[in-house]
Amino acid sequence: DIQMTQSPSSLSASVGDRVTITCQASQDIEYRLSWYQQKPGKAPNLLIYDASYLETGVPSRFSGSGSGTDFTFTISSLQPEDIATYYCQHYDNLPPIYTFGQGTKLEIK
Amino acid sequence: QVQLVQSGAEVRKPGASVKVSCKASGYSFTSHGITWVRQAPGQAPEWMGWISTYNGVRNYAQSFQGRVTLTTDTSTTTAYMDLRSLRSDDTAIYYCARVQGTSGPPDYWGQGTLVTVSS
Repeated sequence: DIQMTQSPSSLSASVGDRVTITCQASQDIEYRLSWYQQKPGKAPNLLIYDASYLETGVPSRFSGSGSGTDFTFTISSLQPEDIATYYCQHYDNLPPIYTFGQGTKLEIK
Repeated sequence: QVQLVQSGAEVRKPGASVKVSCKASGYSFTSHGITWVRQAPGQAPEWMGWISTYNGVRNYAQSFQGRVTLTTDTSTTTAYMDLRSLRSDDTAIYYCARVQGTSGPPDYWGQGTLVTVSS
């Protein structure tokens, strides 16, 4: 089974900061990675899919990069409304499986 | 607009079963797979299984094999998740989600259904 290792587990940053979260797969997953934002009491919200594609309606300060085993999620300029927990997720289609990282809790300094 | 509306909160005793429904609207139901994910308090989401709404093919996570059954009713555009032999550690919020295409990443999610297992 593929394991997804996300870091850090928590992060404190100031408004306007550049924030970076990493996700490492235990084996090559090509580009099959998405990033989600989850606020308390809400379902996860898709931000990035196929490692670097921005979901429709998502602000351009969010971005993703990487392929193979190493992936990065970036918020270029942190906003107060970005306070949430972020998850990476691997998806495959033969057969369909979905594996989440452990999450990164983002707080305002 | 795309909507997934789940059934309400449930309370069950250990050993019982629960069936959660997920009513989809606003898109072509059979053009997108449905996946189910649960999230225990303070934990990361955990994938449970996936079903093709087109032909009913399913794939379950190893940890739920034999305990979960996913079904769909295309006439009512509703998906169902049936979990049996409930234990206290099954207490969680259960989500259905539409996936991109047949088996891409989940892009629209239901509001979640809290299932509490307690004696």
